[in-house]
Amino acid sequence: GESVGLHLPTLSVQEGDNSIINCAYSNSASDYFIWYKQESGKGPQFIIDIRSNMDKRQGQRVTVLLNKTVKHLSLQIAATQPGDSAVYFCAEIGNTNAGKSTFGDGTTLTVKP
Amino acid sequence: NAGVTQTPKFRVLKTGQSMTLLCAQDMNHEYMYWYRQDPGMGLRLIHYSVGEGTTAKGEVPDGYNVSRLKKQNFLLGLESAAPSQTSVYFCASSGGTSYEQYFGPGTRLTVT
Repeated sequence: GESVGLHLPTLSVQEGDNSIINCAYSNSASDYFIWYKQESGKGPQFIIDIRSNMDKRQGQRVTVLLNKTVKHLSLQIAATQPGDSAVYFCAEIGNTNAGKSTFGDGTTLTVKP
Repeated sequence: NAGVTQTPKFRVLKTGQSMTLLCAQDMNHEYMYWYRQDPGMGLRLIHYSVGEGTTAKGEVPDGYNVSRLKKQNFLLGLESAAPSQTSVYFCASSGGTSYEQYFGPGTRLTVT
């Protein structure tokens, strides 16, 4: 079956540095991708999304890049803050009629003061 | 708006017992989902619903049943709990033009 995976399970950065979290996906037919942030003891929360007809999308301090050639997705966080410490998941949506998402295993981001 | 709420927040069951987890959303979303999350892992889809009165199997449906009698509620049932069902269960909903899912706070279930 199709799966979404992440390259690294943990990432540690210094406060103020930029963070890059990577994701590899295997379903070339996926139409839509979302990054979620999950803080300890809480449910995942939407950060940013991107459609397959785009290669870059920017939000507030976050940028998502999509490379369909190598089926790779990344989340860049600028000027990382302690509040950014969390687990980050990428999710791909292949069946847009039901909005079902396939989630990767997540990357734990730790921000050191 | 309360968003997505889940009850209970915590539960301990003995093997073979049954229980129902309740999910409620007040955003008038058509789609609702139940996931389980095991330690250090991502979310796996158990069952989902694309509208009132409809349900469908996800990735890991065995041992679970669901019902969506009302648009705002999505119930997850465990008929005979097993230790392998120890997990954190998340409900989510989505609707409109966005595929963004809104998650509840989770239910931590332990089966002994």
